Amino acid sequence: AQSVTQPDIHITVSEGASLELRCNYSYGATPYLFWYVQSPGQGLQLLLKYFSGDTLVQGIKGFEAEFKRSQSSFNLRKPSVHWSDAAEYFCAVGAPIGDSSYKLIFGSGTRLLVRP
Amino acid sequence: GAVVSQHPSWVICKSGTSVKIECRSLDFQATTMFWYRQFPKQSLMLMATSNEGSKATYEQGVEKDKFLINHASLTLSTLTVTSAHPEDSSFYICSAEGQANGQFFGPGTRLTVL
Repeated sequence: AQSVTQPDIHITVSEGASLELRCNYSYGATPYLFWYVQSPGQGLQLLLKYFSGDTLVQGIKGFEAEFKRSQSSFNLRKPSVHWSDAAEYFCAVGAPIGDSSYKLIFGSGTRLLVRP
Repeated sequence: GAVVSQHPSWVICKSGTSVKIECRSLDFQATTMFWYRQFPKQSLMLMATSNEGSKATYEQGVEKDKFLINHASLTLSTLTVTSAHPEDSSFYICSAEGQANGQFFGPGTRLTVL
């Protein structure tokens, strides 16, 4: 069965410091992988996604993620965190349904707190 | 572009009543819409997938008679929580998928059943 694990419930970093959020997945085939951010009062926003090709994926807001098949991981990174990055981050795996659609299986989320 | 709205943003109802939540894709046609449920400080759990004009596909363990989903047009899907009880209190989120441009999420609806 497909599953996503985010081992860190909370992470606190200082503004300007680097960030890495961990994500491990379980999936039988080559996965579609996603990172979303959820801020209060706003819908989930897609940061980046991996379908195939280059394993280092660049996203919005300066985020990047690296797909490592050998480790079943898709960790999210940012070299310098801004206070506005404080939010809940979700990793997800997409399971194809039909020809072009997929359903998302989410991890439990990691809450990022940013110290001034 | 790719904006998804939900209405209402929050609702409080009495136990035993039914509540309807709307999900609209404002600037694109959504061939598929998804409904998720999120408990406090927890992840999103997919409840069902709906395609315009056809019956929804429910995930295992989701009561289809309890959570009625209608996808009447390419821009509107509704979730009706029938005979709501306090355990149905949750944050309900929809997403809409257009053609080959991924899923876009609504801001969610907070349901509180007294």
